[in-house]
Amino acid sequence: GAVVSQHPSWVICKSGTSVKIECRSLDFQATTMFWYRQFPKQSLMLMATSNEGSKATYEQGVEKDKFLINHASLTLSTLTVTSAHPEDSSFYICSALGLVAYEQYFGPGTRLTVT
Amino acid sequence: EDKVVQSPLSLVVHEGDTVTLNCSYEVTNFRSLLWYKQEKKAPTFLFMLTSSGIEKKSGRLSSILDKKELFSILNITATQTGDSAIYLCAVPPNAGKSTFGDGTTLTVKP
Repeated sequence: GAVVSQHPSWVICKSGTSVKIECRSLDFQATTMFWYRQFPKQSLMLMATSNEGSKATYEQGVEKDKFLINHASLTLSTLTVTSAHPEDSSFYICSALGLVAYEQYFGPGTRLTVT
Repeated sequence: EDKVVQSPLSLVVHEGDTVTLNCSYEVTNFRSLLWYKQEKKAPTFLFMLTSSGIEKKSGRLSSILDKKELFSILNITATQTGDSAIYLCAVPPNAGKSTFGDGTTLTVKP
């Protein structure tokens, strides 16, 4: 089946620094990937849709200058949290649009802690 | 605005019990309804439902969709502690961009 990886799985950074999270589709090409954020005991919140070769589409309320998304190839999308603050601490999950219509394949997630 | 509502939000049962999780939806362009199980990491896919009245089954889990009443249920029989997780329901009105419900947190006690 389709596999999506994320790196790193866990990161701790200091306030004010930037952190990059990678999302890779390992055995298929993904023209569309999605970035979600999840707070403890809450559901997934879509942050943005990442399309290969074009600008990401951000959901309302998500700061595009703070959460930079780059989908430079058909197998890689990156999310950079710039000037991170403690309130950015969260679980970030990416997914890739699947081969079966409307099915998403999720990465294992990245837990970000900003101190 | 598309909406997906899951109930209950939280459920605690004992091993061996049967549980029913609910998902109702209002979307402008329904194509399918997806169920996911989320343990400590990212969600794993359980079922995709597109047609009313056709039960999908996988072991002790089953799910059915009612497109007239706009809801789906996920049943788990003979629950085990390993079934403890958040169960998410999602409706993708267009390619991949799913609207997720708030999830049902299921805790199965030994």
